[in-house]
Amino acid sequence: AQSVTQPDIHITVSEGASLELRCNYSYGATPYLFWYVQSPGQGLQLLLKYFSGDTLVQGIKGFEAEFKRSQSSFNLRKPSVHWSDAAEYFCAVGAPFNTDKLIFGTGTRLQVFP
Amino acid sequence: NAGVTQTPKFQVLKTGQSMTLQCAQDMNHNSMYWYRQDPGMGLRLIYYSASEGTTDKGEVPNGYNVSRLNKREFSLRLESAAPSQTSVYFCASSLERQANTGELFFGEGSRLTVL
Repeated sequence: AQSVTQPDIHITVSEGASLELRCNYSYGATPYLFWYVQSPGQGLQLLLKYFSGDTLVQGIKGFEAEFKRSQSSFNLRKPSVHWSDAAEYFCAVGAPFNTDKLIFGTGTRLQVFP
Repeated sequence: NAGVTQTPKFQVLKTGQSMTLQCAQDMNHNSMYWYRQDPGMGLRLIYYSASEGTTDKGEVPNGYNVSRLNKREFSLRLESAAPSQTSVYFCASSLERQANTGELFFGEGSRLTVL
């Protein structure tokens, strides 16, 4: 069955520290992969996406993610976290021609300490 | 440019009452979606509309109905609300159904409590 796993429910980091949020997926073929961010009281906003090609993708707000086919992973990273990055982060996978088939992970809540 | 607008933002219902969540987008998008978000379960698709005049069931459609009133508007109706429908509801839109255009645009959510 197709699924997305975000193993970390809650992560706490200090401002300025590096960050890695994990995402593992189970999918029949190479899926399209996404990271969305949800700030408190807001809807979700796309951070970055991977369709094909270079396995390291850059997104907004200084985030990047790396697709590793052998590990079925698409981890999100940021070298130096800012307090404004505190939010909930969702990984999602989908088929190339069906946005209605997007599968979202359960989310990772990021807390940033000064 | 407002993007995706949902109303109401908060609603409390009693079991058995009905209500409609309204959603409108001003980006001239073809596809629109309704999701629900529950703790520990991520987002689950309730219904979607790939284009004006069409609607299809998602993962959790039971207890809901939808109407794609025109290209801009996509409403979600609870005919007889149940406590299990307590959730945060998100409307989203995308230019096309194809995921290679990549992006869903979300509203700010509607928090519904059913007592």
